[in-house]
Formats: sequence, C-alpha cells, structure tokens
Amino acid sequence: SSDLTQDPAVSVALGQTVRITCQGDSLRSYYATWYQQKPGQAPVVVIYHENNRPSGIPDRFSGSRSGNTASLTITGTQAEDEADYYCNSRDISGDHLFGGGTKLTVL
Amino acid sequence: QKQLVESGGGLVKPGGSLRLSCAASGFTFSDYYMTWIRQAPGKGLEWVSFITNSGAYTQYADSVKGRFTISRDNARNSLSLQMNSLRVEDTAVYYCARRDWTGDVFDVWGQGTMVIVSS
Repeated sequence: SSDLTQDPAVSVALGQTVRITCQGDSLRSYYATWYQQKPGQAPVVVIYHENNRPSGIPDRFSGSRSGNTASLTITGTQAEDEADYYCNSRDISGDHLFGGGTKLTVL
Repeated sequence: QKQLVESGGGLVKPGGSLRLSCAASGFTFSDYYMTWIRQAPGKGLEWVSFITNSGAYTQYADSVKGRFTISRDNARNSLSLQMNSLRVEDTAVYYCARRDWTGDVFDVWGQGTMVIVSS
C-alpha cells in the first residue's frame, strides 16, 4: 500500500505525554517527517529523519519508528501544541505521501 | 530570511484554467527542488508536484497528471503551476514549498493561495 494511516483525533491532558502514530509500508524504506499545522497557518516541520528536531522546536517533541509505524511523541504537552499533525514520507515512485492528519486536543 | 509568497489564486469555473506563482527570496532558489502541495477545505495535505532545481525533471500526483504543469524561472526566483481542465475537487489552498537537500523534508512553506473551482 502507498498510503499513510493516522488516527483522526487524539486528546491529551495538559502536561501529559501523547503519542501520535503513522502507519504505512513506505515507512520501512523512507524516513518519516512530521508537520504541525495550526488553524490558518502553513505547516511547520517538527520532526525530520524520524527523530531530528529543527532549530526552534522544543525538545518535548520526539520521533521514533518501528517496522512500518512512525510515532511522534510529545512529552509534557503544552496548550500551544494543540494542532493538526501530519506524517509524510516518500514512496518508491518518488512521490510524496501524507497521512490524513491527527487533530490533537489538549484538555 | 527565507520566504515563499504565492499568488494567482481565485474563483474559476469547472473546465477553466488558472496559473499560480510563487516568489522565492532569502535563499539560492536555483539550488533547490520545489514542490506544490494542496489542502482542500477541512481536509489533509496532498502533494501535487515537484520540479528539480534545474527544471529538467518534473513529477505529478496521479490526480493532476496531464492537467497541471509545474515550471520555474531561476533567473526570476519564481515557481509556477499552470492548472488546466480544473475540477471542483481541485478546490484547495495551494502551498509552494522548498524541498531540502535530502529530499525528505519540506522545510520552507509559503502562506498559500486559495483556488476555488465552482460554477
């Protein structure tokens, strides 16, 4: 399959840890990138090459992969982390795939 | 400061055409592959097309192949997307984005331009 599958919505209590997952065969061969998108804004990279953070991204964001599943973990979730999160990878044809997105609600 | 600014969006009837532009600044445009990514209202992100740094090679999502054409003018630091035979399902915010040197990351994004296809 060339799809990336994400849970549509996840909620987490303020200050707690949440994991957002992304499943797809392409993840066995290609890196996952995670994007955060807040309403009315363009996406921003929060994790690339599975577990690297761009400068300016808090270290509470981390990534991992096991088999065909990539995960984004937010430790000590803050109110400002409420957003949509998308995973992305390449596929064998050179196209780029996006997951359907996960809406994170911070309670 | 690295910046991408899209323009050219608007309202168009089904079957019509529209040309989007993206102006780049703050980095050496000719060094980077560039992409178009779109987002239908209330929906997720969809990769549309990319073009190599020289413009010699392009690739398209199946949903737009044969209807959209990506191009660039490195002398003008400009990226374009010519959209023909537009369909209602092409309605979306269209973002241009820079693809980093690894090919895995869209590291600079524009603010997007809205395209509405409706009769």
